[in-house]
Amino acid sequence: KAGVTQTPRYLIKTRGQQVTLSCSPISGHRSVSWYQQTPGQGLQFLFEYFSETQRNKGNFPGRFSGRQFSNSRSEMNVSTLELGDSALYLCASSLYPIPGQSTDTQYFGPGTRLTVL
Amino acid sequence: QQQVKQSPQSLIVQKGGISIINCAYENTAFDYFPWYQQFPGKGPALLIAIRPDVSEKKEGRFTISFNKSAKQFSLHIMDSQPGDSATYFCAASRGDYKLSFGAGTTVTVRA
Repeated sequence: KAGVTQTPRYLIKTRGQQVTLSCSPISGHRSVSWYQQTPGQGLQFLFEYFSETQRNKGNFPGRFSGRQFSNSRSEMNVSTLELGDSALYLCASSLYPIPGQSTDTQYFGPGTRLTVL
Repeated sequence: QQQVKQSPQSLIVQKGGISIINCAYENTAFDYFPWYQQFPGKGPALLIAIRPDVSEKKEGRFTISFNKSAKQFSLHIMDSQPGDSATYFCAASRGDYKLSFGAGTTVTVRA
């Protein structure tokens, strides 16, 4: 079974631009979560989607947004890029998310390395 | 505000030795505690996970010890190998699919 795939793997943008990152979960997985990884802040939760609905959101400004499609693929968008947005953006998928129950295993993709100049 | 505190930041161990990484949490609503391994240029990969109703879980050379009353859990890597050199993250969640990660521990295994 193919793992989580993320495209593109690397991106270079300039301040003020916007960017869209894509994530394809493992086949059959319906929950997709996004995380930002930086040397200073570590791994931080951005948001989680299930059945095209955002169920949970981390403490990031509104410039960070996402969506999920009917085939469970997900995209995240960052508008008006800032230097501090340079990071590795990771997508993770889970099999059967049941609200209120302990988090099931999250499988991470290789990430998209975003550099903002 | 970091919800999961991880130590040490880095450690060096000889081949065949034991690596021990500790994590502590405050939120008693957490009920799932995974450990992830990350190599440079790769995404984190799940190593082993535990729930609070179990005090210890072992998978191969990796063991999680969990102390619910102390709100602490740790990862032991037995018979450490050079291929274990990586960054290890502990994490916790409370059934909302939002993982709170520790800051990470870089493990270097010397041959």
